[in-house]
Amino acid sequence: GQQLNQSPQSMFIQEGEDVSMNCTSSSIFNTWLWYKQDPGEGPVLLIALYKAGELTSNGRLTAQFGITRKDSFLNISASIPSDVGIYFCAGGDAGNNRKLIWGLGTSLAVNP
Amino acid sequence: GAVVSQHPSWVICKSGTSVKIECRSLDFQATTMFWYRQFPKQSLMLMATSNEGSKATYEQGVEKDKFLINHASLTLSTLTVTSAHPEDSSFYICSARDPLADYYEQYFGPGTRLTVT
Repeated sequence: GQQLNQSPQSMFIQEGEDVSMNCTSSSIFNTWLWYKQDPGEGPVLLIALYKAGELTSNGRLTAQFGITRKDSFLNISASIPSDVGIYFCAGGDAGNNRKLIWGLGTSLAVNP
Repeated sequence: GAVVSQHPSWVICKSGTSVKIECRSLDFQATTMFWYRQFPKQSLMLMATSNEGSKATYEQGVEKDKFLINHASLTLSTLTVTSAHPEDSSFYICSARDPLADYYEQYFGPGTRLTVT
Protein backbone atom coordinates (compact mmCIF):
# COMPACT_ATOMS: atom_id res chain seq x y z
CA GLY A 1 0.00 0.00 0.00
CA GLN A 2 0.89 3.67 -0.15
CA GLN A 3 3.43 4.90 2.36
CA LEU A 4 4.98 8.23 3.14
CA ASN A 5 8.64 9.11 2.76
CA GLN A 6 9.99 9.71 6.23
CA SER A 7 13.55 10.81 6.95
CA PRO A 8 15.96 10.24 8.39
CA GLN A 9 15.45 6.52 8.83
CA SER A 10 17.46 6.57 12.06
CA MET A 11 19.27 9.04 14.27
CA PHE A 12 21.80 8.69 17.05
CA ILE A 13 22.27 11.86 19.06
CA GLN A 14 23.68 13.13 22.32
CA GLU A 15 21.38 14.05 25.16
CA GLY A 16 20.53 17.73 25.00
CA GLU A 17 20.69 17.99 21.22
CA ASP A 18 17.76 19.06 19.10
CA VAL A 19 16.22 16.64 16.62
CA SER A 20 14.41 17.23 13.36
CA MET A 21 12.60 14.71 11.17
CA ASN A 22 10.24 15.10 8.26
CA CYS A 23 7.67 13.38 6.17
CA THR A 24 6.83 13.96 2.52
CA SER A 25 4.16 12.74 0.17
CA SER A 26 3.18 13.03 -3.45
CA SER A 27 -0.43 13.41 -2.32
CA ILE A 28 -2.22 16.16 -0.46
CA PHE A 29 -3.38 15.37 3.06
CA ASN A 30 -6.05 16.93 5.25
CA THR A 31 -4.41 15.97 8.52
CA TRP A 32 -0.91 15.13 9.67
CA LEU A 33 -0.35 13.10 12.81
CA TRP A 34 2.87 12.30 14.64
CA TYR A 35 3.12 9.20 16.84
CA LYS A 36 5.83 7.73 19.03
CA GLN A 37 6.20 3.99 19.56
CA ASP A 38 8.23 2.50 22.38
CA PRO A 39 9.54 -1.06 21.95
CA GLY A 40 6.78 -3.64 22.39
CA GLU A 41 4.08 -1.00 22.76
CA GLY A 42 1.43 0.60 20.61
CA PRO A 43 1.98 4.05 19.08
CA VAL A 44 1.05 7.08 21.15
CA LEU A 45 -0.29 10.23 19.52
CA LEU A 46 2.04 13.18 20.06
CA ILE A 47 0.72 15.96 17.86
CA ALA A 48 -2.15 16.38 15.41
CA LEU A 49 -2.14 19.04 12.67
CA TYR A 50 -5.28 20.07 10.82
CA LYS A 51 -4.47 23.11 8.65
CA ALA A 52 -1.80 23.91 6.09
CA GLY A 53 0.87 26.09 7.68
CA GLU A 54 -0.19 25.18 11.20
CA LEU A 55 2.59 25.06 13.79
CA THR A 56 1.77 23.19 16.98
CA SER A 57 3.79 22.48 20.10
CA ASN A 58 3.50 19.85 22.80
CA GLY A 59 6.15 20.46 25.44
CA ARG A 60 9.54 20.06 23.78
CA LEU A 61 7.92 18.84 20.56
CA THR A 62 6.97 21.13 17.69
CA ALA A 63 5.37 20.04 14.45
CA GLN A 64 4.29 21.87 11.33
CA PHE A 65 1.82 21.11 8.57
CA GLY A 66 3.51 22.06 5.32
CA ILE A 67 1.96 24.86 3.29
CA THR A 68 1.69 22.58 0.23
CA ARG A 69 -0.14 19.98 2.38
CA LYS A 70 2.35 17.40 1.13
CA ASP A 71 4.81 17.46 4.00
CA SER A 72 5.24 17.84 7.73
CA PHE A 73 8.14 18.03 10.14
CA LEU A 74 8.63 17.23 13.81
CA ASN A 75 11.26 18.87 16.00
CA ILE A 76 12.32 17.72 19.44
CA SER A 77 14.30 20.21 21.49
CA ALA A 78 16.81 19.38 24.21
CA SER A 79 16.48 15.61 23.82
CA ILE A 80 16.45 13.36 26.86
CA PRO A 81 16.94 9.57 27.14
CA SER A 82 13.20 8.88 27.30
CA ASP A 83 12.81 10.34 23.81
CA VAL A 84 14.24 7.07 22.51
CA GLY A 85 11.78 5.23 20.26
CA ILE A 86 10.38 5.16 16.77
CA TYR A 87 8.53 8.20 15.50
CA PHE A 88 5.89 7.72 12.82
CA CYS A 89 4.14 10.31 10.73
CA ALA A 90 0.70 9.58 9.34
CA GLY A 91 -1.37 11.51 6.83
CA GLY A 92 -5.13 11.62 6.64
CA ASP A 93 -6.03 10.94 3.01
CA ALA A 94 -9.49 12.18 2.11
CA GLY A 95 -9.21 10.62 -1.32
CA ASN A 96 -8.37 7.11 -0.11
CA ASN A 97 -11.48 6.22 1.85
CA ARG A 98 -10.19 8.64 4.47
CA LYS A 99 -7.51 6.25 5.68
CA LEU A 100 -4.33 7.03 7.53
CA ILE A 101 -1.23 6.61 5.39
CA TRP A 102 1.86 5.79 7.43
CA GLY A 103 5.50 6.73 7.18
CA LEU A 104 8.20 4.11 7.61
CA GLY A 105 9.37 5.61 10.88
CA THR A 106 12.42 7.36 12.28
CA SER A 107 14.31 5.44 14.94
CA LEU A 108 15.81 7.75 17.55
CA ALA A 109 18.60 6.76 19.92
CA VAL A 110 19.83 9.19 22.58
CA ASN A 111 23.21 8.83 24.20
CA PRO A 112 23.07 10.04 27.82
CA GLY B 1 -8.95 10.06 27.91
CA ALA B 2 -9.04 7.89 24.75
CA VAL B 3 -7.60 4.77 26.34
CA VAL B 4 -7.55 1.51 24.43
CA SER B 5 -6.67 -1.85 25.94
CA GLN B 6 -5.73 -5.12 24.31
CA HIS B 7 -5.74 -8.63 25.63
CA PRO B 8 -3.68 -10.71 25.76
CA SER B 9 -0.42 -8.79 25.58
CA TRP B 10 1.32 -11.88 24.31
CA VAL B 11 0.30 -15.37 23.32
CA ILE B 12 2.07 -18.52 22.15
CA CYS B 13 0.02 -21.10 20.31
CA LYS B 14 0.61 -24.25 18.34
CA SER B 15 0.31 -24.39 14.58
CA GLY B 16 -3.25 -25.15 13.50
CA THR B 17 -4.98 -23.64 16.51
CA SER B 18 -6.97 -20.40 16.64
CA VAL B 19 -6.24 -17.35 18.74
CA LYS B 20 -8.58 -14.52 19.72
CA ILE B 21 -7.34 -11.02 20.52
CA GLU B 22 -9.60 -8.46 22.20
CA CYS B 23 -9.50 -4.71 21.76
CA ARG B 24 -11.49 -2.46 24.09
CA SER B 25 -12.03 1.27 24.24
CA LEU B 26 -12.14 2.02 27.96
CA ASP B 27 -13.40 5.58 28.23
CA PHE B 28 -15.16 6.24 24.95
CA GLN B 29 -17.44 4.53 22.50
CA ALA B 30 -15.65 3.57 19.32
CA THR B 31 -17.84 3.15 16.29
CA THR B 32 -14.73 2.37 14.26
CA MET B 33 -11.74 0.27 15.22
CA PHE B 34 -8.73 -0.75 13.18
CA TRP B 35 -6.47 -3.78 13.20
CA TYR B 36 -2.82 -3.46 12.23
CA ARG B 37 0.03 -5.88 11.87
CA GLN B 38 3.63 -4.86 12.42
CA PHE B 39 6.79 -6.79 11.56
CA PRO B 40 10.07 -6.03 13.35
CA LYS B 41 11.57 -2.68 12.43
CA GLN B 42 8.72 -1.95 10.02
CA SER B 43 5.79 0.39 9.84
CA LEU B 44 2.20 -0.40 10.67
CA MET B 45 0.24 -2.31 8.07
CA LEU B 46 -3.51 -1.85 8.15
CA MET B 47 -5.31 -5.19 7.98
CA ALA B 48 -8.92 -4.17 8.33
CA THR B 49 -11.35 -1.50 9.43
CA SER B 50 -14.07 -2.62 11.79
CA ASN B 51 -17.36 -0.77 12.17
CA GLU B 52 -19.71 -1.59 15.00
CA GLY B 53 -22.60 -3.73 13.87
CA SER B 54 -21.37 -4.33 10.34
CA LYS B 55 -18.85 -6.45 8.50
CA ALA B 56 -15.22 -5.46 8.60
CA THR B 57 -13.53 -3.99 5.53
CA TYR B 58 -10.34 -5.85 4.76
CA GLU B 59 -7.31 -4.44 2.98
CA GLN B 60 -6.15 -5.99 -0.23
CA GLY B 61 -4.20 -9.17 0.36
CA VAL B 62 -5.59 -9.84 3.85
CA GLU B 63 -7.47 -13.14 4.06
CA LYS B 64 -10.82 -12.45 5.66
CA ASP B 65 -11.42 -16.13 6.40
CA LYS B 66 -8.14 -16.35 8.25
CA PHE B 67 -8.41 -13.10 10.20
CA LEU B 68 -11.95 -12.96 11.54
CA ILE B 69 -13.01 -9.62 12.94
CA ASN B 70 -16.06 -8.99 15.07
CA HIS B 71 -17.16 -5.60 16.37
CA ALA B 72 -20.27 -6.48 18.31
CA SER B 73 -20.35 -3.49 20.65
CA LEU B 74 -19.20 0.10 20.77
CA THR B 75 -16.33 -0.78 23.08
CA LEU B 76 -15.13 -4.18 21.88
CA SER B 77 -13.63 -5.56 18.70
CA THR B 78 -12.03 -8.97 18.39
CA LEU B 79 -9.54 -10.42 15.94
CA THR B 80 -9.41 -14.20 15.62
CA VAL B 81 -6.47 -15.73 13.81
CA THR B 82 -7.80 -19.05 12.59
CA SER B 83 -5.63 -22.09 11.92
CA ALA B 84 -2.55 -20.13 12.81
CA HIS B 85 0.80 -20.92 11.23
CA PRO B 86 4.31 -19.72 12.03
CA GLU B 87 4.11 -17.07 9.32
CA ASP B 88 1.24 -15.49 11.25
CA SER B 89 3.62 -14.71 14.09
CA SER B 90 3.69 -10.95 14.43
CA PHE B 91 2.80 -7.95 16.55
CA TYR B 92 -0.92 -7.14 16.21
CA ILE B 93 -2.12 -3.71 17.28
CA CYS B 94 -5.63 -2.34 17.38
CA SER B 95 -6.69 1.27 17.36
CA ALA B 96 -9.95 3.09 17.80
CA ARG B 97 -11.44 6.31 16.57
CA ASP B 98 -12.95 8.55 19.23
CA PRO B 99 -16.04 10.15 17.66
CA LEU B 100 -15.45 13.27 19.76
CA ALA B 101 -11.93 13.74 18.35
CA ASP B 102 -10.76 14.65 14.86
CA TYR B 103 -11.84 12.07 12.27
CA TYR B 104 -8.32 10.85 11.47
CA GLU B 105 -7.00 10.55 15.03
CA GLN B 106 -6.55 6.95 16.11
CA TYR B 107 -5.79 5.78 19.64
CA PHE B 108 -3.82 2.59 19.90
CA GLY B 109 -3.83 -0.36 22.22
CA PRO B 110 -0.55 -1.72 23.62
CA GLY B 111 -0.39 -4.53 21.07
CA THR B 112 -0.40 -8.32 21.19
CA ARG B 113 2.68 -10.37 20.38
CA LEU B 114 1.62 -13.63 18.70
CA THR B 115 4.08 -16.47 18.36
CA VAL B 116 2.98 -19.60 16.51
CA THR B 117 5.14 -22.66 17.08
